[in-house]
Amino acid sequence: QKEVEQDPGPLSVPEGAIVSLNCTYSNSAFQYFMWYRQYSRKGPELLMYTYSSGNKEDGRFTAQVDKSSKYISLFIRDSQPSDSATYLCAMKETSGSRLTFGEGTQLTVNP
Amino acid sequence: NAGVMQNPRHLVRRRGQEARLRCSPMKGHSHVYWYRQLPEEGLKFMVYLQKENIIDESGMPKERFSAEFPKEGPSILRIQQVVRGDSAAYFCASSAVLLEGQPQHFGDGTRLSIL
Repeated sequence: QKEVEQDPGPLSVPEGAIVSLNCTYSNSAFQYFMWYRQYSRKGPELLMYTYSSGNKEDGRFTAQVDKSSKYISLFIRDSQPSDSATYLCAMKETSGSRLTFGEGTQLTVNP
Repeated sequence: NAGVMQNPRHLVRRRGQEARLRCSPMKGHSHVYWYRQLPEEGLKFMVYLQKENIIDESGMPKERFSAEFPKEGPSILRIQQVVRGDSAAYFCASSAVLLEGQPQHFGDGTRLSIL
């Protein structure tokens, strides 16, 4: 069983839609949770970074963490064509250094 | 540009040759991480280094792969006697002084192709 599961998609939505991206995990030692955006042929770009359970909002992006269910989500409001990319969830243990990634969800926002 | 710099962006090698990938961390960052992204797979951790020290190499293949982060200059990921299965995108990330939860910032990667 993979430590982090992420629906690979692809996901296609119309411009303006609300997008929900999700990851589940099995390792209860994960305490830090991140969402990265990766455009084609580029490196992952850090979007959201959370520690505790609950919601964190930044502009059109909201990250949600539910440690009791081992489930994290990223919501994108008013999605734009420029949001078209692959979204990667990543997690880290408190004492560790490595990030463990999901496989990424490919998102296309159609104008 | 104060971001993580990787070079070359693209590298082509024939089977049996050596590949050297370089990474300069963000200004002020002293921790470097290497990840590999195989086609249709997610990013996998390889190694974590600080200046002149390998801290965690548990994700590195036991043979042919090595990494260093010298006192001066960039971090180097070295792959000896490359094989077709080494074809992948190799990403470097860096973080600041190790406090709990310091985020890692990535470069744009080196895409290695083995002929």
